[in-house]
Amino acid sequence: NAGVMQNPRHLVRRRGQEARLRCSPMKGHSHVYWYRQLPEEGLKFMVYLQKENIIDESGMPKERFSAEFPKEGPSILRIQQVVRGDSAAYFCASSPVGVTEAFFGQGTRLTVV
Amino acid sequence: QKEVEQDPGPLSVPEGAIVSLNCTYSNSAFQYFMWYRQYSRKGPELLMYTYSSGNKEDGRFTAQVDKSSKYISLFIRDSQPSDSATYLCAMSARSGGSNYKLTFGKGTLLTVNP
Repeated sequence: NAGVMQNPRHLVRRRGQEARLRCSPMKGHSHVYWYRQLPEEGLKFMVYLQKENIIDESGMPKERFSAEFPKEGPSILRIQQVVRGDSAAYFCASSPVGVTEAFFGQGTRLTVV
Repeated sequence: QKEVEQDPGPLSVPEGAIVSLNCTYSNSAFQYFMWYRQYSRKGPELLMYTYSSGNKEDGRFTAQVDKSSKYISLFIRDSQPSDSATYLCAMSARSGGSNYKLTFGKGTLLTVNP
């Protein structure tokens, strides 16, 4: 899974600040997914994107969270006005077209203080 | 009832033991079944992928799916200390083009003692 690159690996934000998490998919993969792993919880689906399109954002909180996957550059998960409950590990995964299994990055561990 | 149930363990076994990890699920639409391994503070690594029912073997790992019982298993033969990790089951449904959306179990923490 080293092919999916996420940065930063660790991010500390104060309450009310913005967090921006980046994900570059594996070479040849055009589908990107974001998952969140809360302490003592399993991975939860957040959003599925293709280039310039949000396909499914049913797992995203309604407020403060947004995601994009521009034509050029990495996918971005943006969390505005962070709160302590946003502290979690955020994982990005990617897959080629028409493939179900996804390959994960190493994650970004967000800590809100 | 959670869609996917997985015993969190922890599970501790001696080196060389056969390990059995299991998940049950409630959504009969699930048709794709995966097992991921996650080392501490790392990302999940895909181990096994199975479509529908049956068995699949890859080296020391065997995945089994019993859709009639809504039960999946991962067996690890000749377990090694390097197998010590959290094992996550994941599954997705085929219906409505949403086969990409993985539903995970909480994971089972496995320790293999030398």
